[in-house]
Amino acid sequence: EADIYQTPRYLVIGTGKKITLECSQTMGHDKMYWYQQDPGMELHLIHYSYGVNSTEKGDLSSESTVSRIRTEHFPLTLESARPSHTSQYLCASSDPLGRGRYEQYFGPGTRLTVT
Amino acid sequence: SQELEQSPQSLIVQEGKNLTINCTSSKTLYGLYWYKQKYGEGLIFLMMLQKGGEEKSHEKITAKLDEKKQQSSLHITASQPSHAGIYLCGADRSGGYQKVTFGTGTKLQVIP
Repeated sequence: EADIYQTPRYLVIGTGKKITLECSQTMGHDKMYWYQQDPGMELHLIHYSYGVNSTEKGDLSSESTVSRIRTEHFPLTLESARPSHTSQYLCASSDPLGRGRYEQYFGPGTRLTVT
Repeated sequence: SQELEQSPQSLIVQEGKNLTINCTSSKTLYGLYWYKQKYGEGLIFLMMLQKGGEEKSHEKITAKLDEKKQQSSLHITASQPSHAGIYLCGADRSGGYQKVTFGTGTKLQVIP
């Protein structure tokens, strides 16, 4: 059973507000990821991190930012939320080199609605 | 254009029927993942295929990677309502760094 958590699960917020989506994992994984999922099912990588103090932008341009100060924590921040940010945000982690397993473990997701 | 195309986009089957979902890549696949997602939740890893011709099974789900490594199929035998969800294939384009590109997804409904 994967130990990766996301809070909040659901968030409805007004335009212009600053929000932080939390993601934590207790597996000691070095690699962590943020995906944005459209209502049409496609997942797009927006941020990833290969370890503490390492963050990179993903394939889909995003106005969000991330930080990786601790191995277990990978929060995503939107400084000023807009309706176009409405989406499902999924966090994942992986440790393919450590234990010979290659899959990513996903959190339950945060469904964000910006009104 | 989409790197990983899945077909069909959606599928409704009666319980007990077999079904196949396809994932076609525009580039050679070096690692192909299959995940399942229940509506509104995170993804659950099903299996990973790396070698051309490789086939893996887990319970009633079998996945294959063709010899040319540009197409994978996921086959479910005797479908059950618990198989319902969204199936996504993913490919690691980063040479093992786990930057996965996901396919377009297939929504499966199983009617009792």
